[in-house]
Amino acid sequence: NFMLTQPHSVSESPGKTVTISCTRSSGSIAGNYVQWYQQRPGSSPTPVMYEHNQRPSGVPDRFSGSIDSSSNSASLTISGLKTEDEAEYHCQSYDSSTDNWLFGGGTKLTVL
Amino acid sequence: EVQLLESGGGIVQPGGSLRLSCAASGFNFGGYWMHWVRQVPGRGMEWLSRTDELGTRTTSTGYNDSVKGRFTISRDNAKSTLYLQLNSLRADDTAVYFCTRDRGRYAGFDFWGQGTLVTVSS
Repeated sequence: NFMLTQPHSVSESPGKTVTISCTRSSGSIAGNYVQWYQQRPGSSPTPVMYEHNQRPSGVPDRFSGSIDSSSNSASLTISGLKTEDEAEYHCQSYDSSTDNWLFGGGTKLTVL
Repeated sequence: EVQLLESGGGIVQPGGSLRLSCAASGFNFGGYWMHWVRQVPGRGMEWLSRTDELGTRTTSTGYNDSVKGRFTISRDNAKSTLYLQLNSLRADDTAVYFCTRDRGRYAGFDFWGQGTLVTVSS
């Protein structure tokens, strides 16, 4: 089995671009789809990316996802940052060896 | 509109039990895998359990080792309701419990409920 590691927090100014990473501890990042969820304070999570780089309906194209085999990590990039993007972001993947769905620890994005 | 509405949370003593429910609407409930996920306030998410569309076969359900043997997932497709039976509760089970709908293709969860808070305390 593996773990997903995210930075605890990131911050950036409105209008800028930020990238949040999610590193897989073992096995290939490409081996199982990575998803990203946005969770605003007091709310339940909502998906902003699935299958590495697919945006659910209604998610603006300022959000993009990718994977990098060299660093064995997935990334969520948000461009043209808005104050409404301030939230916790959780990456998630499936561990086929244990039949478990795994989450990263979450990254708090501050837009200041 | 897809809606998932959890209920059944509350305060329970260590060693006690609770049954959580998740009422689904707005989609063909019997056509989807469903999951339970929890979040300790201020901390990360933890996947707990899943059930396939039927929930009746021996291979229909799966659990995180942290809850295996203590929690039981089940569903009633006629009532469009998902359940989680929580037994032998411990203080570290204190969390918000969410039900989620499976997107398919092992691509995570496409809808989440609003969550129900379980507090285990004497």
